[in-house]
Amino acid sequence: GQNIDQPTEMTATEGAIVQINCTYQTSGFNGLFWYQQHAGEAPTFLSYNVLDGLEEKGRFSSFLSRSKGYSYLLLKELQMKDSASYLCAVRDEENNDMRFGAGTRLTVKP
Amino acid sequence: DSGVTQTPKHLITATGQRVTLRCSPRSGDLSVYWYQQSLDQGLQFLIQYYNGEERAKGNILERFSAQQFPDLHSELNLSSLELGDSALYFCASSVAQGQYEQYFGPGTRLTVT
Repeated sequence: GQNIDQPTEMTATEGAIVQINCTYQTSGFNGLFWYQQHAGEAPTFLSYNVLDGLEEKGRFSSFLSRSKGYSYLLLKELQMKDSASYLCAVRDEENNDMRFGAGTRLTVKP
Repeated sequence: DSGVTQTPKHLITATGQRVTLRCSPRSGDLSVYWYQQSLDQGLQFLIQYYNGEERAKGNILERFSAQQFPDLHSELNLSSLELGDSALYFCASSVAQGQYEQYFGPGTRLTVT
C-alpha cells in the first residue's frame, strides 16, 4: 500500500521562502507530483519528479530522493496568492494509480 | 481554464438515488481520470480510462461505475447514494496514459440529503 505524509498546515511571510515536505511509502514508485489547490477550486499541476534531484520552475522547485521516500516543494519570494493547499501525490507503478496526501494548507501573511 | 469541462456544477439529490456526472476532456487528450474530494478524506483517485478502456482503479466503490465513450467524454455513475457520498468530484485529463501532467476540470459538487 501507500502512505503519503505531509504537514497539515504551515504559515509563512510574504517575500520569504517556505519548504513543504512529503514522505511516502509505495510498493512501486513511478513519479511524484505536486499540485496547488485554492479553496473550492480544482487542483493545478505544479511539478513532477521521477528521478532524484531538483526540478526548478520559476519560483517553485521540487526535490526528490527515491531512496529516502522523500520530496519537498520549495516556494520562493512568497506572494499572498500562494496561500492555498499543496498536494503531494505518488503514482504507483504496480497499480498504475495515483495516491494523494491530505495536503498542506499554506497561509502567507503580510 | 484547463479546457476540461464537467457537468453539472452542482447536484443535490436524496439518499438511495442514482446520478450521472459528465466530463469532457481537453481536445486531444485520451486519458480521463476521476477523483473524489471530501473534507475528511482529501483527494481520492477513483478510476482512469485511456481511449475508451479502463486502465487503473483506485478507491472506487462497487456502487460507482464509469465509462469512456468513443468521443472520449466520460461519465461517472453513482448509485444507491449515501450521505457519505457528498463530495466534490473532479475529472482530469492528460494527453496519454503515462503523461504526467493532468488537467483538472472545475468539479461537480454533489450533496446527498
